[in-house]
Amino acid sequence: TQLLEQSPQFLSIQEGENLTVYCNSSSVFSSLQWYRQEPGEGPVLLVTVVTGGEVKKLKRLTFQFGDARKDSSLHITAAQPGDTGLYLCASRGGSSNTGKLIFGQGTTLQVKP
Amino acid sequence: EPEVTQTPSHQVTQMGQEVILRCVPISNHLYFYWYRQILGQKVEFLVSFYNNEISEKSEIFDDQFSVERPDGSNFTLKIRSTKLEDSAMYFCASSVIRASNQPQHFGDGTRLSIL
Repeated sequence: TQLLEQSPQFLSIQEGENLTVYCNSSSVFSSLQWYRQEPGEGPVLLVTVVTGGEVKKLKRLTFQFGDARKDSSLHITAAQPGDTGLYLCASRGGSSNTGKLIFGQGTTLQVKP
Repeated sequence: EPEVTQTPSHQVTQMGQEVILRCVPISNHLYFYWYRQILGQKVEFLVSFYNNEISEKSEIFDDQFSVERPDGSNFTLKIRSTKLEDSAMYFCASSVIRASNQPQHFGDGTRLSIL
């Protein structure tokens, strides 16, 4: 079973700072999704990356997929308090073709005003 | 925007009792999932469901668990005899197709507390 390791687990920063969150696996991802989860809510999809080396931007968020498709990063520029939440990476489960997602343990981000 | 809805938002049950968690997936979606998240731990896959049958289930999804789509809209997760360790957030998700680049849409979850 593919395991996803996220780092750091916790991050507390001041408003306006930049940050990067990482997601790594020992095996190749077919694709990788990044979700954001706020307290009391379900995960909400931010982006899907599919191609090695791919970079996608969503306002102040930049997502990168490693060339070998075994790692991904999420970079936030000039973080805002509204960015506070749990950031999860997830991939389709190995050889499974049923669509199940395997999640990393998440990075809890706190942005202080 | 259509969304996945789950009820109840919080369920408190005595150990050994049966619980049914309910989900209404997005109407044109064909693939349905249940996940759980124990407090402080990662989101874990329980089961996937397509064409009125289970496609895949995890080791967690033992004989105490069952899923059903009793009508055209609801998708339920039943735990027959709850245990303390079943306490968790349970999330329902659905997708149009199962392709790896397609999103799964999650509900806001049911918090299950077993006493």
